[in-house]
Amino acid sequence: DAGITQSPRYKITETGRQVTLMCHQTWSHSYMFWYRQDLGHGLRLIYYSAAADITDKGEVPDGYVVSRSKTENFPLTLESATRSQTSVYFCASSVKQGISEAFFGQGTRLTVV
Amino acid sequence: QKEVEQDPGPLSVPEGAIVSLNCTYSNSAFQYFMWYRQYSRKGPELLMYTYSSGNKEDGRFTAQVDKSSKYISLFIRDSQPSDSATYLCAMGGIQGAQKLVFGQGTRLTINP
Repeated sequence: DAGITQSPRYKITETGRQVTLMCHQTWSHSYMFWYRQDLGHGLRLIYYSAAADITDKGEVPDGYVVSRSKTENFPLTLESATRSQTSVYFCASSVKQGISEAFFGQGTRLTVV
Repeated sequence: QKEVEQDPGPLSVPEGAIVSLNCTYSNSAFQYFMWYRQYSRKGPELLMYTYSSGNKEDGRFTAQVDKSSKYISLFIRDSQPSDSATYLCAMGGIQGAQKLVFGQGTRLTINP
């Protein structure tokens, strides 16, 4: 299917475990982003990538790791999950130039217990 | 102080009312301004964007930007229950970067 897809949609994990959230886009967009959405904070940028093998920190990168070996995939890993990382995570993509309309996935609802 | 401030609401109005949603920002380097709409348990979707100060109209929606006051607004005329959603303002274009900075989002309910 065309578009941007995230998996899993829902995840419950225990404190201290490593968990990876997947993101896949079919548009060949250069840019990809990971946001987390929390009440009172809105959408906050965790990491973004301008192209394959190029990543950079956003506003709240601590505790997260990203990689981008292929243009279409941008996985987000929580190295050792904490309860404060309970959130809804959104992946997005956009074109390289011009108005950077970000196209969002459906989100992954992560609960750390 | 956050770079983009948006009243989170919630805002509840009767069907047919005019709705006004607002954001303020602190960084004068922002070049374009967007409004996203997010339905419950869905990802945000772009509703409108503007480049410069002034108004932009699209059907029942009008986006307004006042760069001198660092203030943007979204007006919804003849509001419908289907407009019930969270509305997020977003800003970008600093130094050509594709990053967007989002407001907190305002949760809007239109009552039939």
